[in-house]
Amino acid sequence: DAGVIQSPRHEVTEMGQEVTLRCKPISGHNSLFWYRQTMMRGLELLIYFNNNVPIDDSGMPEDRFSAKMPNASFSTLKIQPSEPRDSAVYFCASSQPTGTASYEQYFGPGTRLTVT
Amino acid sequence: EDQVTQSPEALRLQEGESSSLNCSYTVSGLRGLFWYRQDPGKGPEFLFTLYSAGEEKEKERLKATLTKKESFLHITAPKPEDSATYLCAVQAQYGNKLVFGAGTILRVKS
Repeated sequence: DAGVIQSPRHEVTEMGQEVTLRCKPISGHNSLFWYRQTMMRGLELLIYFNNNVPIDDSGMPEDRFSAKMPNASFSTLKIQPSEPRDSAVYFCASSQPTGTASYEQYFGPGTRLTVT
Repeated sequence: EDQVTQSPEALRLQEGESSSLNCSYTVSGLRGLFWYRQDPGKGPEFLFTLYSAGEEKEKERLKATLTKKESFLHITAPKPEDSATYLCAVQAQYGNKLVFGAGTILRVKS
């Protein structure tokens, strides 16, 4: 399996520009997670989806952030407009369906975002 | 609120010098406790899941244990390639959200 695929791997943009990060989860996984990692705050969950439906978006910092999952094999995280404080590494992760069992999440390589 | 605290923040070991990393947690009903390894510039890599107090899991030089309040990651006779950041996370009984600790940065010198 190719694992979780993220693109782009690096993004440098100017303040005020729109940024779109992309993720393809592992085939057969129906839970998808977006995380942000910074030195100050560590790894934080932004939003997660089960069966393409957003379940918990309480970690989304503000209305400038939005996420979609139009189908089981693709998700986007959009920041509009971007600000320097959004600079971080953004990870996408996926896991098998969870019912009563607990399944590990598999992470992608991340997108390093720099907003100047 | 679910919380995870890892200690120490950083640990330097000589090759072959065994030690342990600690993960203390508070969670409203534990569904699972996870250990991940993260190398610089990469995403976290899954190591272990522990479900109940008393459980232990091993993988090469690593052994993870779990009590009702904390987990330990024991590293036996480490090698330089074990150098990485080790992350601990908990999942509560409801939902699939993971709450991560800040991690322990491990450096093993030859």
